[in-house]
Amino acid sequence: DAMVIQNPRYQVTQFGKPVTLSCSQTLNHNVMYWYQQKSSQAPKLLFHYYDKDFNNEADTPDNFQSRRPNTSFCFLDIRSPGLGDAAMYLCATRSRTANGYTFGSGTRLTVV
Amino acid sequence: AQSVSQHNHHVILSEAASLELGCNYSYGGTVNLFWYVQYPGQHLQLLLKYFSGDPLVKGIKGFEAEFIKSKFSFNLRKPSVQWSDTAEYFCAVNARFSGGYNKLIFGAGTRLAVHP
Repeated sequence: DAMVIQNPRYQVTQFGKPVTLSCSQTLNHNVMYWYQQKSSQAPKLLFHYYDKDFNNEADTPDNFQSRRPNTSFCFLDIRSPGLGDAAMYLCATRSRTANGYTFGSGTRLTVV
Repeated sequence: AQSVSQHNHHVILSEAASLELGCNYSYGGTVNLFWYVQYPGQHLQLLLKYFSGDPLVKGIKGFEAEFIKSKFSFNLRKPSVQWSDTAEYFCAVNARFSGGYNKLIFGAGTRLAVHP
């Protein structure tokens, strides 16, 4: 089935050690999003790619970066994770011609 | 600015009780509205969505929602809840920006606890 796949499901990283989360899709959607969801809070948009066009939310910390080497893959890089970055990270896709979003299962990041 | 407001942060019900969760949005463009559910420890799942047409939309697991344009509302309902409906519920609106960009903006969520 076409879907959005996030790896790994659970990631533990050390304070200050760079970490990369990955998202892949088989939907051929041209838009990909990264959301951060902290415990008991709503998902918060970090950035999104419209094809290769990168769009950063104004309040996304510089510590967070993203790469999209091709249509299928998108990566979230956290350069120096702090304890406050522990959260569920959600990847979502959307087709330019459709109105729905498809979410991955998320990666739960723990910072120790 | 675009926003979504969910009135109830926590709701506690007994099984078989009726449910209504409020959602109001602030957005001036064409509205696409969503309700997502998140069961404990799991990822977001789409319950239902409204794009156009019949303002009463039916979703999975017996949920429905009604879009009332004049009230900027999209309330979620279920006639009889079950213990398995214990979860967090998020209302969201798709917002369009210049350049053709779209973003999904979420409300703060409502945590529902259903007691047997």
